[in-house]
Amino acid sequence: DAGVIQSPRHEVTEMGQEVTLRCKPISGHNSLFWYRQTMMRGLELLIYFNNNVPIDDSGMPEDRFSAKMPNASFSTLKIQPSEPRDSAVYFCASTPPLAGLHEQFFGPGTRLTVL
Amino acid sequence: RKEVEQDPGPFNVPEGATVAFNCTYSNSASQSFFWYRQDCRKEPKLLMSVYSSGNEDGRFTAQLNRASQYISLLIRDSKLSDSATYLCVVPLDTGRRALTFGSGTRLQVQP
Repeated sequence: DAGVIQSPRHEVTEMGQEVTLRCKPISGHNSLFWYRQTMMRGLELLIYFNNNVPIDDSGMPEDRFSAKMPNASFSTLKIQPSEPRDSAVYFCASTPPLAGLHEQFFGPGTRLTVL
Repeated sequence: RKEVEQDPGPFNVPEGATVAFNCTYSNSASQSFFWYRQDCRKEPKLLMSVYSSGNEDGRFTAQLNRASQYISLLIRDSKLSDSATYLCVVPLDTGRRALTFGSGTRLQVQP
């Protein structure tokens, strides 16, 4: 079975450019999470969706970040304009629709470098 | 106080050793807890859940101390393959599905 799929796996861009990260959750999962991981701050929740609806975006750093989930099988995280401090590994995770189940299935991550 | 705190380590132990990690949490209302494992340059994966009565899975034992608000992970008979970062995880809020991850404790098992 396919797990969570993220693309691209690596992205190198220059400051000021727009960056779009993509995620396909596991089929049948109804919650999707975007995280950012850095050495300094660890794993931080940016935003999460339930049934394609954003539930909590309080972790989104600033207006340069936006996330969408147009359907149950696709989500994007966009950074515009990107800055060097956005360099991190961005993970997408999904969970199935079972009450009380908190296991999150993570994708392999996108390693973003902003020069 | 951070919501979830862990000793970053690294813990360097020889093969066969027993090692324990603790994690403290701030939300006394938290009901469920988890340990995730993250290998170098890989994604986190669920290792085990932590129940009120404790939880044992082979060489791994997880325990909860509600009075002191900490959870622990004990690894017996350490293997080289146990080398990884262990993340303590607490639900962000009761009834919600988001999780708060600790910064992780790095374990290096040496031959």
